[in-house]
Amino acid sequence: KQEVTQIPAALSVPEGENLVLNCSFTDSAIYNLQWFRQDPGKGLTSLLLIQSSQREQTSGRLNASLDKSSGRSTLYIAASQPGDSATYLCAVRKGQFYFGTGTSLTVIP
Amino acid sequence: SAVISQKPSRDICQRGTSLTIQCQVDSQVTMMFWYRQQPGQSLTLIATANQGSEATYESGFVIDKFPISRPNLTFSTLTVSNMSPEDSSIYLCSGLSGVWETQYFGPGTRLLVL
Repeated sequence: KQEVTQIPAALSVPEGENLVLNCSFTDSAIYNLQWFRQDPGKGLTSLLLIQSSQREQTSGRLNASLDKSSGRSTLYIAASQPGDSATYLCAVRKGQFYFGTGTSLTVIP
Repeated sequence: SAVISQKPSRDICQRGTSLTIQCQVDSQVTMMFWYRQQPGQSLTLIATANQGSEATYESGFVIDKFPISRPNLTFSTLTVSNMSPEDSSIYLCSGLSGVWETQYFGPGTRLLVL
């Protein structure tokens, strides 16, 4: 069974700092990987989707990379802002979707 | 992209009653899913809602407890039956849209069972 792990579970950084969130998965035969953010009490907002054949995707200050062979993905957030504070979840698709437990990010003004 | 709405956004229910949650998508999606998210936890897939046929349930979830309908490509309902306090959770629907089958989520339904 696919297991998805996100480290760290929580992260607190000062505004303006660049940061990296990590996602690892046990089965490298995936269809795609998607990063989401979830604000407290809300649903999930899609940030980036990386197909299995791709290495990275970028959207604004966000860059996600995928290394299938090592079972890892990273989400890079440049010049963090207080509005980036949320829980970030990665989800791996192999048949169904497998979600990590998330990284709770706090950006301190 | 797809915009997904859910009704109700939250509810407080009595033990033993049932609640039906509606999920509406603004465009056709290929697949629709129902998830449960308990406090401080990640998402657990309940079932895949299949258009015009019975839903496909994950291990630990059964149709009698969580009946699901999907009459067309943009609408689905999840019923939480004979509720107990253990059913208190956030219920989320999602759909796959676009060439790359990106997953989009509704805002969730917060359920509290007393």
